[in-house]
Amino acid sequence: AQSVTQPDIHITVSEGASLELRCNYSYGATPYLFWYVQSPGQGLQLLLKYFSGDTLVQGIKGFEAEFKRSQSSFNLRKPSVHWSDAAEYFCAFSGGYNKLIFGAGTRLAVHP
Amino acid sequence: DVKVTQSSRYLVKRTGEKVFLECVQDMDHENMFWYRQDPGLGLRLIYFSYDVKMKEKGDIPEGYSVSREKKERFSLILESASTNQTSMYLCASSPRETDNSPLHFGNGTRLTVT
Repeated sequence: AQSVTQPDIHITVSEGASLELRCNYSYGATPYLFWYVQSPGQGLQLLLKYFSGDTLVQGIKGFEAEFKRSQSSFNLRKPSVHWSDAAEYFCAFSGGYNKLIFGAGTRLAVHP
Repeated sequence: DVKVTQSSRYLVKRTGEKVFLECVQDMDHENMFWYRQDPGLGLRLIYFSYDVKMKEKGDIPEGYSVSREKKERFSLILESASTNQTSMYLCASSPRETDNSPLHFGNGTRLTVT
């Protein structure tokens, strides 16, 4: 079955610390992968996407993600977290017709 | 910049009412989607449409229907609202390209059914 797993429901980091949010997918082929962010009271904003080619992709707001086919993973990273990064993060992949299949989300809290 | 507008930010309805959630996009996108967002479950696809008057069921269509009479507008209908439909509803759109087009989301409608 096609699915996305985000193992961490909540993560808390200190401002300035590094961040890694985990994402694993289950799909029969190489997927198109996405990370979205949702700030409180807002819709979802695209952070970055992977289609093919270089497995390390850069996104907005200083985020990057690495596609690892052998691990079926697409983890999101940021070297130094800012307080404004507190939000909920969703990993997703495309299931045809641009339908996205989402993970359950990881809520990030940032301590000053 | 793409704008996806959901007509209501908050709605409170009674059990059994017929509820309409409206979504309009201004970028001439072919594809439109309705998702439901619940804590711990992420976003789940209710219905989507890839053209006017066309619709396809998503993963959780039960209790919902949709209408797309114009390209820019996609309506989600709860025929008889129930308390288990209390949720955040997100509309999204994308152009009809390949599978690599990101979705553009509205800000959501938080529906409470009492």
